[in-house]
This record gives sequence, C-alpha cells and structure tokens, in this order.
Amino acid sequence: NAGVTQTPKFQVLKTGQSMTLQCAQDMNHNSMYWYRQDPGMGLRLIYYSASEGTTDKGEVPNGYNVSRLNKREFSLRLESAAPSQTSVYFCASRGQWDTQYFGPGTRLTVL
Amino acid sequence: GENVEQHPSTLSVQEGDSAVIKCTYSDSASNYFPWYKQELGKRPQLIIDIRSNVGEKKDQRIAVTLNKTAKHFSLHITETQPEDSAVYFCAASAFGNEKLTFGTGTRLTIIP
Repeated sequence: NAGVTQTPKFQVLKTGQSMTLQCAQDMNHNSMYWYRQDPGMGLRLIYYSASEGTTDKGEVPNGYNVSRLNKREFSLRLESAAPSQTSVYFCASRGQWDTQYFGPGTRLTVL
Repeated sequence: GENVEQHPSTLSVQEGDSAVIKCTYSDSASNYFPWYKQELGKRPQLIIDIRSNVGEKKDQRIAVTLNKTAKHFSLHITETQPEDSAVYFCAASAFGNEKLTFGTGTRLTIIP
C-alpha cells in the first residue's frame, strides 16, 4: 500500500495564478482532510470530507476550494494564489480507530 | 470549538534524560488524544494515543497521561535518544467529531 500520496512535492506560483493540489489514498478510508502548516502555528484544518460527495469547511477555508472526486481522491484548489498562502500543505485520511495518516506534503511558495 | 494549548514550544534535554510535553484542551466532550512526531522535512506520524476511558498508556519509552478533570494530557519520553529529536504535536477530538484540533507543536532537541 502506498498510503496517502500527494502531488506535486514542490510548487512556486506567482500572485494571482491558480493551481490544484492532488491527494489520493489507497486505504479505503471514508474521511479525508487538507491542512496547512506554518511555523509556530501547528496544523490548521482547511477543509475536510467525511465521505464521498461531502465537504465541509475547517478553520481556515478562505481562498481555497476542494473536490472529493471519489473515495480515493481529494483535491485542493487555489483559484488566485496570494503570498499568505505560502505554506506546507498536508493531506490526510482517517482510519477505523480515528488515526489520521498524512501524506508527504506539498511545499508551496507564492511570490 | 475545541482549543488545544501546548507547552513548551521548545525543549532541550541531555541524552538519556526524560522529556515531558504538556497540553490542555477546552472541550469537555473531547475523548481522543493522539500525539504525532514530525521529523524535519517529513510528514507527521502517530506515535501514541489515549482515549478518555484510561488515565495512562505506555509504549516502550513513550507514555501518555490524561487528567480529564483538569483537561490536560502529557507526553513522557524516557531515556531520550538523538533520534527523538523532532517536533511533537498533541491533538484532541470528541467522539463522532470528524475533526482533530492540534496544538502548536514542541521542538524537542536531544543534546548528545
């Protein structure tokens, strides 16, 4: 099993550009999450999806959209990137006993 | 919503000594408390968790204690080793709640 995978690993954008971060899991989990990690701020929840076809806002959803394409895939879209969105983005899925499994992360820089 | 506070933000200990990281939470309905370890440039990984029906759980050199009355829980690492150097995050969630709320992390450095 690959677990949780994310693409790309690194990305540099200019202000105003758009991009989609991809996430997939092969553990047959229902719930999937997107977090951003900034120095001194811990992991903050952007959006989550409790099941295929449903999405909900987390703590910091502004400037982001998500799509739960199917049970395996959960994507995060930045429509118009801003420097404040420079961060490391982690996707996660939740297993049977509440354990969250994280992907390797995407390091995004917005100039 | 839930608020999790974590202290200290940085901690340095001599190799072989013990390290303790503490977290407090605000929502009395929270009943699941995991701890994640994140090495530099890597993803967070679960190292131990505890549920509200027990007060302590151990796994080799790592233990977690929970005080539901005071709403705090702690991570204890004994006989620290250089490979314990990492950032540690605590988190909390309530049964049936899809969301984990994380603390802001503790950077642990083991001094050889």
